Order: sequence, then C-alpha cells, then structure tokens
Amino acid sequence: GQQLNQSPQSMFIQEGEDVSMNCTSSSIFNTWLWYKQDPGEGPVLLIALYKAGELTSNGRLTAQFGITRKDSFLNISASIPSDVGIYFCAGPGEDGGSQGNLIFGKGTKLSVKP
Amino acid sequence: NAGVTQTPKFRILKIGQSMTLQCTQDMNHNYMYWYRQDPGMGLKLIYYSVGAGITDKGEVPNGYNVSRSTTEDFPLRLELAAPSQTSVYFCASSPHYEQYFGPGTRLTVT
Repeated sequence: GQQLNQSPQSMFIQEGEDVSMNCTSSSIFNTWLWYKQDPGEGPVLLIALYKAGELTSNGRLTAQFGITRKDSFLNISASIPSDVGIYFCAGPGEDGGSQGNLIFGKGTKLSVKP
Repeated sequence: NAGVTQTPKFRILKIGQSMTLQCTQDMNHNYMYWYRQDPGMGLKLIYYSVGAGITDKGEVPNGYNVSRSTTEDFPLRLELAAPSQTSVYFCASSPHYEQYFGPGTRLTVT
C-alpha cells in the first residue's frame, strides 16, 4: 500500500538554526498536510497544501508541495525551544477520496541540542 | 468553539473489562476518526465515519466497536480489554482531508 517516508527520523536543533525535513512517496498525492505533536497532546494541523509547486507559510514555518507530487518539504526558520516535538506529514490515500482517510508518515522528532 | 473533546483523559482497565471512550466535535464535520498511537510510533486508524449512521473499519479494528448516531458524537467501545490495547487513543474530525485532533485518552490495560 501507499507509504509516506519522512526524513530525517530525528534531529537536534539549536536555538536560531533553520530546520528542514521532507516527506516522500512512491505514488502521487493530491494534498499534503503537515502536523506537529507536542508530548502528551494530539497532533495539530500546521499547513495544508493543495497544488503542485505550492509554497505556503505559517509564521516561521514554510511548506512546499513538490512538483512531482510525490514529495513535500517543511522548513522552520530561526528555531526556538517550543519548536521541539514530532512533525508528521500526511496525505489522502488512493481510496481516501470520498472518506477523507489520511496516510501518516512516521514523523520527524525535533529535540534541543544538549 | 471547543473543537474535538475526548473523555476520559486517563484510564486504567483490568483485563476483560469494557469501557467507552467518548469523542465529541462542535464543528459540524461529517468525517470522524479513531486512531491509536503506541509509544514512539505513528497513528493507526481504528474506525472512521463519513456521517451519522455510517461507520467503517480502518487498519486495526479488531477488539473495538463504534457507533455514530449524531454528527457530533463518535464513541469508541472496547468490549474485552487486553494488554495489547494499552495505547493513546485520538479522535479526529474533518470537513474532508484536514483532520483536527482531540487531546487523546491514555489507556492502560493491566
């Protein structure tokens, strides 16, 4: 079945650094969603992308819908301690058109550099 | 506008007990979902609903049941709790693809 591969699996950040992560698939997605999950909380929707090539920002976060429609990228500029958490990408499955079902990546875990 | 609310926040069950996890949304979304998330893992879909009276199985439905009698409520029932059901359970709702999650219920079965 369809899978979303997120990279990197984990990374350490130092305050002020820019952060980049990506999500790839072997099949085409028509929508890309990026979520953040804080410890002990539910995932929170950060950015939604609907068109190939689309670039959308939400504060210091910028996400792009890859031209091939098989990937998406999330960048965080000038990271701050509260950026720590797990970032998930998600998109509708092949049969999710009418049910709204999403496929989720396994997440990229952001931690503060010791 | 409270969004998606879940109760209880925490629960400990003994093996074989049953319980219902409650989920309510006030955004008038047609689609609702139940996920489980095991430690360090991603989200696995248990059941979903595309509208009142309509439910369907997700990836891991065994051991669970759902009902959807109203647009707002989507309870998840565990009939015979097993240790393998120890997890964090998230309910979500969506107008279509953009899912909005509740705060979760942390369930331990011992």
